[in-house]
Amino acid sequence: KQEVTQIPAALSVPEGENLVLNCSFTDSAIYNLQWFRQDPGKGLTSLLLIQSSQREQTSGRLNASLDKSSGRSTLYIAASQPGDSATYLCAVRRLSYNTDKLIFGTGTRLQVFP
Amino acid sequence: DADVTQTPRNRITKTGKRIMLECSQTKGHDRMYWYRQDPGLGLRLIYYSFDVKDINKGEISDGYSVSRQAQAKFSLSLESAIPNQTALYFCATGQGRVGQETQYFGPGTRLLVL
Repeated sequence: KQEVTQIPAALSVPEGENLVLNCSFTDSAIYNLQWFRQDPGKGLTSLLLIQSSQREQTSGRLNASLDKSSGRSTLYIAASQPGDSATYLCAVRRLSYNTDKLIFGTGTRLQVFP
Repeated sequence: DADVTQTPRNRITKTGKRIMLECSQTKGHDRMYWYRQDPGLGLRLIYYSFDVKDINKGEISDGYSVSRQAQAKFSLSLESAIPNQTALYFCATGQGRVGQETQYFGPGTRLLVL
C-alpha cells in the first residue's frame, strides 16, 4: 500500500529564507507527483506536477524535484515571503481504471514571518 | 476555487443524525470526488464519479453514500453520523486525460459530530 509522508510537519522561518519541504513515498511505481498549497478556509491549489520521467519542474520561486528510485520529492521555495504561509501537500498519482487516484501526504504547515 | 462550491461550510451535528454535504460545480467537468482530511492523515478518497451514471467507492467509503444528481452536483451523505466522522470534507472536480488530470477543489466543509 502506498504511503506518503511529509517532513517536517510544521516549519516557521523568517522572510527571505530559502527552504525545502520533503515528501517521501513507499512505492516508486507512480505515474507522477503533484504539489498543492492549502490555505485556511479554501481548497487546495495545484502548484507543480512532475511526471515520473522528469527530474524537476519550476514555477517562479518554486522548484520541485523527483527521485523516483529513492521515493523522494522536494519542494524548494526561494526567498520566502509571508504570503507563502500555508499548508503544502504532496500527492502521488497511480493509475486506476479510467481515472486518476491521488494519494496525499500528511502536509507541512509553513509559516513565514516578517 | 469559486467554480466549485460546497454547502454548508461548517456543520455541527449529533451522533446518529443523517446529514448531507453538497457540492456544485460550474466547470462542466465530468469527474467529481469527495475526500476527507484528518490531522496527520492527509486527504483520503471517499467516493468518486466519472459521470452521472458512474459512481465508485474510494478507500474509506464505509458509513458514507453519494448521489450524482446531475453533472454539476455531487452530494455526500452520512446516514448515521458518528464522532470519528468529524473531519474536513473536500469536493473536487477533475479534467484532463488520464494521467494528466488537474483536480479543482472546493473550499471544504468542516463537520463536527458530537
